[in-house]
Amino acid sequence: DIQMTQSPASLSASLGETVTIECRASEDIYNGLAWYQQKPGKSPQLLIYNANSLHTGVPSRFSGSGSGTQYSLKINSLQSEDVASYFCQQYYNYPYTFGAGTKLELK
Amino acid sequence: QVTLKESGPGILQPSQTLSLTCTFSGFSLSTYGMGVGWIRQPSGKGLEWLANIWWDDDKYYNPSLKNRLTISKDTSNNQAFLKITNVDTADTATYYCARMGYPGPYVMDAWGQGASVTVSS
Repeated sequence: DIQMTQSPASLSASLGETVTIECRASEDIYNGLAWYQQKPGKSPQLLIYNANSLHTGVPSRFSGSGSGTQYSLKINSLQSEDVASYFCQQYYNYPYTFGAGTKLELK
Repeated sequence: QVTLKESGPGILQPSQTLSLTCTFSGFSLSTYGMGVGWIRQPSGKGLEWLANIWWDDDKYYNPSLKNRLTISKDTSNNQAFLKITNVDTADTATYYCARMGYPGPYVMDAWGQGASVTVSS
């Protein structure tokens, strides 16, 4: 199985700040990576797919980048509604695997 | 508009079989490239992919659950199903179904609200 190591586990940031979440795969996943946002008590919502493609309706302050085994999610100009947990997921190979998640809070 | 909704027993006892239904609208599992996946999340923990079924009835399972999983579909009624045999307390989780195939082949772009399942004696 491909292991997804996500960091940090938690993050505290101020409104307007830029935050970056990292995900490292145990082998090359050829950009087969998605990022999801999950708010408390809600289901995950797709933000980014194919490592850097913004899903329809997602604010442009979210962006994804990376290649090979290293990927990142960047949130520019943090808004209060961005407080959530974020998960990366590889779909390059079965079984699909997720990172452990990053809990983003406001400072 | 794509919607999915999971339904299940809520609570069941160890060793029983868990049967989950995903009822969806806004897409068809007879359309080329479409699929439905099942994912679960224990309370306060991370996500675990369980299984996928595709428009052509191709199926994939997470080997960590060995041979306990069976996924199926009813295209006419826009439903997908997941069965997990011989459950125990470790199967207590919220179970989600998700559409696959849009905007990319393996992407889960729309998720249901989740069905909470508790395994307890």
